[in-house]
Amino acid sequence: DAGVTQSPTHLIKTRGQQVTLRCSPKSGHDTVSWYQQALGQGPQFIFQYYEEEERQRGNFPDRFSGHQFPNYSSELNVNALLLGDSALYLCASSPTSRVSGNTIYFGEGSWLTVV
Amino acid sequence: QQQVKQSPQSLIVQKGGISIINCAYENTAFDYFPWYQQFPGKGPALLIAIRPDVSEKKEGRFTISFNKSAKQFSLHIMESQPGDSATYFCAASTLAGNQFYFGTGTSLTVIP
Repeated sequence: DAGVTQSPTHLIKTRGQQVTLRCSPKSGHDTVSWYQQALGQGPQFIFQYYEEEERQRGNFPDRFSGHQFPNYSSELNVNALLLGDSALYLCASSPTSRVSGNTIYFGEGSWLTVV
Repeated sequence: QQQVKQSPQSLIVQKGGISIINCAYENTAFDYFPWYQQFPGKGPALLIAIRPDVSEKKEGRFTISFNKSAKQFSLHIMESQPGDSATYFCAASTLAGNQFYFGTGTSLTVIP
């Protein structure tokens, strides 16, 4: 049973560029959330996708956008990169079934360095 | 505004000792409280979670104690091992909620 998979694992971008990060949820999960984890901090919620729609958004600017595909995989796009966007980007998936609660499972993350 | 406050920032414990990490919250709508363990370069992994209808949950060497009236919960790691050395995050969410709020993390070092 594959867990949450993310790609790429590491990448370096220049200020002003755009980046796309990808995520495949755990088998049986249809909800994908994205979190940003700055060095030495806890994860911060960016947004959540369910049924290909953004269901909720955290306190992040519109430069952060996403997409969910029919197979439940997801992309996170960040435009006009700033140095402060350097962080570990985590994808988390969860099932919508209330029987199993709302536990979220994280992938290994994508390390983004903006120079 | 930090929705979940976690302490201490770092903790050093001897092998075999008890590690205790504390968290506090303000939002009484929170009703699901997980703890995550994160090793360097890895994503957070779910360790144990509790709902406020119970005051304690134990899984192996890991125990969550929950005090609803004080709006506090803590993680106890019994017989701490060097392999437990990691960063631990508490979190909170509503059962139907879409967003998890994380503490700032506790770096645990277990000395052999």
